[in-house]
Amino acid sequence: DTEVTQTPKHLVMGMTNKKSLKCEQHMGHRAMYWYKQKAKKPPELMFVYSYEKLSINESVPSRFSPECPNSSLLNLHLHALQPEDSALYLCASSPGGRRGGGGSGGSYNEQFFGPGTRLTVL
Amino acid sequence: AQSVTQLDSHVSVSEGTPVLLRCNYSSSYSPSLFWYVQHPNKGLQLLLKYTSAATLVKGINGFEAEFKKSETSFHLTKPSAHMSDAAEYFCVVTMNSGYSTLTFGKGTMLLVSP
Repeated sequence: DTEVTQTPKHLVMGMTNKKSLKCEQHMGHRAMYWYKQKAKKPPELMFVYSYEKLSINESVPSRFSPECPNSSLLNLHLHALQPEDSALYLCASSPGGRRGGGGSGGSYNEQFFGPGTRLTVL
Repeated sequence: AQSVTQLDSHVSVSEGTPVLLRCNYSSSYSPSLFWYVQHPNKGLQLLLKYTSAATLVKGINGFEAEFKKSETSFHLTKPSAHMSDAAEYFCVVTMNSGYSTLTFGKGTMLLVSP
């Protein structure tokens, strides 16, 4: 299995709703990522998990809450979003990971992207 | 620090003619370089990668790119464009290390006319 899957494909939610985005990979990758992409822009990194631990949080508002239940799954919990949060949310994984901040755990670092979840906040 | 400059926001070609998408990079370390393609409302698909092996890299769908350290360039080419090549293309740089944070260029929209 060489792909990253994301559910749902589309999501419409109100500003008071709570919803979750899901991402799954079965390639044995040790790093997983969430990106936000606005129209006609490159993806912007939100979070990085390495060996199931949160390694990078790019100053994302607390209304976005990531979770990594195991090495294959990555969730993004959404609560009290704003209309400007409407975007394509992309998940990615890569073989490399870094344990405890020291040393490098992978031999290469290309990221494999899922198809994304198109989120609309009303 | 690292950065990527894609020199054209849009490139228009006719079907069957060559494609050239230009990318220059800056990196303090030995970089890895990638080209990704994104069709409308889809995720990003890796076209090809350079990771300090051969400087001429062949990718999927007939694309290739040449790493030129002296020019800090990694231009993407294809001999003959197909209608299905119309998409957004991102040049990306990262460090050769464990997990990686990608630095994206702003993207080049490739338009292919019949």
